[in-house]
Amino acid sequence: EVQLLESGGGLVQPGGSLRLSCAASGFTFTNYAMSWVRQAPGKGLEWVSTITDNSDNTYYLDSVKGRFTISRDNSQNTVYLQMNSLRVEDTAVYYCGKGRHGSSGFFDYWGQGILVIVSS
Amino acid sequence: EIVLTQSPATLSLSPGDRATLSCRASQSVSSYLAWYQQKPGQAPRLLIYDASNRATGIPARFSGSGSGTDFTLTISSLEPEDFAVYYCQQRSNWAITFGQGTRLDIK
Repeated sequence: EVQLLESGGGLVQPGGSLRLSCAASGFTFTNYAMSWVRQAPGKGLEWVSTITDNSDNTYYLDSVKGRFTISRDNSQNTVYLQMNSLRVEDTAVYYCGKGRHGSSGFFDYWGQGILVIVSS
Repeated sequence: EIVLTQSPATLSLSPGDRATLSCRASQSVSSYLAWYQQKPGQAPRLLIYDASNRATGIPARFSGSGSGTDFTLTISSLEPEDFAVYYCQQRSNWAITFGQGTRLDIK
């Protein structure tokens, strides 16, 4: 059974940093791209970032470029999102998503989500 | 950025009805479009990928069609568990975007 478990969320002041983690199990982690998607309270879904299976390529939403960094540790089956210079508008539930085989930009499994609140 | 516009914003139907949800892209996305279902307090669930392929475990009452800029998600006969928010998503050139969602309510 595929499982994705996010951790590392919480309350942070504007300008602060957080690192989210997503621990994966139930599939061959090294074969799949992984992504982060967020959802602000009461709003729709917004893609944030993707990392390819071998970490050769990373992609970002324009508004997080230069502030967020996605990475992965294939030995630990874990993907990370380092978030720096956080803004109030980054407040959201952050979901980890597994890329679908052959269609990496679609997400066939999702974690339960982790809440990040940026507030003073 | 490719903008996806979903219509209607809200759709009120009864169990057993047929639901037709639309998604229009601001430029062609070929067939690189997916549909997701999201229920309150839950993560989204992939329903359809590449415009018309059902994801694993998705019932046959869900179907997708379209290509280029106009796409449709059809639910042939609504079950009580189908009332939720539905999002379309495109993946062109790794500038991934979602539509704003269609809320499917019980009439």
